[in-house]
Amino acid sequence: GENVEQHPSTLSVQEGDSAVIKCTYSDSASNYFPWYKQELGKRPQLIIDIRSNVGEKKDQRIAVTLNKTAKHFSLHITETQPEDSAVYFCAASLNSGGYQKVTFGTGTKLQVIP
Amino acid sequence: SAVISQKPSRDICQRGTSLTIQCQVDSQVTMMFWYRQQPGQSLTLIATANQGSEATYESGFVIDKFPISRPNLTFSTLTVSNMSPEDSSIYLCSVPTSATTDTQYFGPGTRLTVL
Repeated sequence: GENVEQHPSTLSVQEGDSAVIKCTYSDSASNYFPWYKQELGKRPQLIIDIRSNVGEKKDQRIAVTLNKTAKHFSLHITETQPEDSAVYFCAASLNSGGYQKVTFGTGTKLQVIP
Repeated sequence: SAVISQKPSRDICQRGTSLTIQCQVDSQVTMMFWYRQQPGQSLTLIATANQGSEATYESGFVIDKFPISRPNLTFSTLTVSNMSPEDSSIYLCSVPTSATTDTQYFGPGTRLTVL
C-alpha cells in the first residue's frame, strides 16, 4: 500500500519567516495530494491541495509543489503568523476499489514564535 | 461543505466494554470513512462504509473489533468492542466534500479514554 513520509516532525520559525514541510510517497498511482492543518483539540481542516497534473499551486501565503518523478511534494508557508502554529499533515490519495483512499503523513508540528 | 456531527464528543470507558460512536451528515453521501488518531499521532483509516454493503476494513482492523453500520446515506456508526487502554484515541468520521471531489471533510471527532 501507499506509504507517506513527512519531515520535519517539528519546526520552529520566527514570525514573518517562511516554513517548508516536505513529504514523499511510494505509490506512483497516487493522484491527489491534500494538506491538512489541525489545531489543538480540533478536527483536521484542508488548507490546500494539488493534483498530479499540476506542478505547483498557490493560495495567498500558502503554496504546494509536486514532483511526480521524484514522488515528493512540499508545503510552503510564507510570512508566517502565530495563528499558523498547528500540526500539518500531508496526504496522498489514490483510487482504490472505486473510492479515493487517503494515506496521511506523520505530521509536522509548526510553532511560529512571535 | 457538509455539516458533520459526532456523538459522543468524548467518553471515558472501562476496559472490556464497548462504545458506539455515531456520525451524522446533513447531506446524502455515498462513502463515509472512519479514522483513528492515537495521541500525538497521525490519522489512520480504519474502514470505509458504503451504504448497502459491508464496510471495507484496512489492514490491521477487523470487523469483530470495529463493527460498522451504514443504515442510510446520512448516518453511520462505529463500535469499538471489548476496549483496552490501547484503544484510547480520537475517532473521526469523514465524507467527501462533494460527489465530484476527492477532498474529505472531517467530523469533530470522538475522544475516547479507556481505563
